[in-house]
Amino acid sequence: RKEVEQDPGPFNVPEGATVAFNCTYSNSASQSFFWYRQDCRKEPKLLMSVYSSGNEDGRFTAQLNRASQYISLLIRDSKLSDSATYLCVVTHTDKLIFGTGTRLQVFP
Amino acid sequence: EAGVTQFPSHSVIEKGQTVTLRCDPISGHDNLYWYRRVMGKEIKFLLHFVKESKQDESGMPNNRFLAERTGGTYSTLKVQPAELEDSGVYFCASSHRGTGGVNTQYFGPGTRLTVL
Repeated sequence: RKEVEQDPGPFNVPEGATVAFNCTYSNSASQSFFWYRQDCRKEPKLLMSVYSSGNEDGRFTAQLNRASQYISLLIRDSKLSDSATYLCVVTHTDKLIFGTGTRLQVFP
Repeated sequence: EAGVTQFPSHSVIEKGQTVTLRCDPISGHDNLYWYRRVMGKEIKFLLHFVKESKQDESGMPNNRFLAERTGGTYSTLKVQPAELEDSGVYFCASSHRGTGGVNTQYFGPGTRLTVL
């Protein structure tokens, strides 16, 4: 079983739609939680950190449920430029542990 | 401020040859990490340097991989001899531990290694 599980998608949504991604992690000792974004053939880039209290950055909202070991990302008012792979990432000690990513394609 | 840089961007070698990848972290970042993504799989941790010391090398696949960070600045990852299964994208990341211990890692563009 993978340490971080994500639905690989793809999620194909029209511009303006709201889309939600989920992931689960298996190690209850995981310490920090993130969503990274990766464009095709590029490096992963930090999108946002995730906290139990929930956090919002513009159109993006992330939530952590430690009891369920579940992380979510909500994207509102999707833009064409949101098309990418979204990587759910947890840390244990200092290393990042990645999910396989969920691919999002936003169409006009 | 310059980001993490990696060289080369692509490398195509034959099985049995040696390849050396280089990573220059963001200036002032003591933490340097190597990760690898093989086709169809998730990005996986290889090892972590704090300055010139190996903090964690639990992800290194075998003794054909040798990482160094002499002087605590740039790092090299040597694969010798390369095997077909070593093909993938090798990412380097660096971080400066922020307040509260959250470890934000910034990634380089990666080196795409193809072993034929």
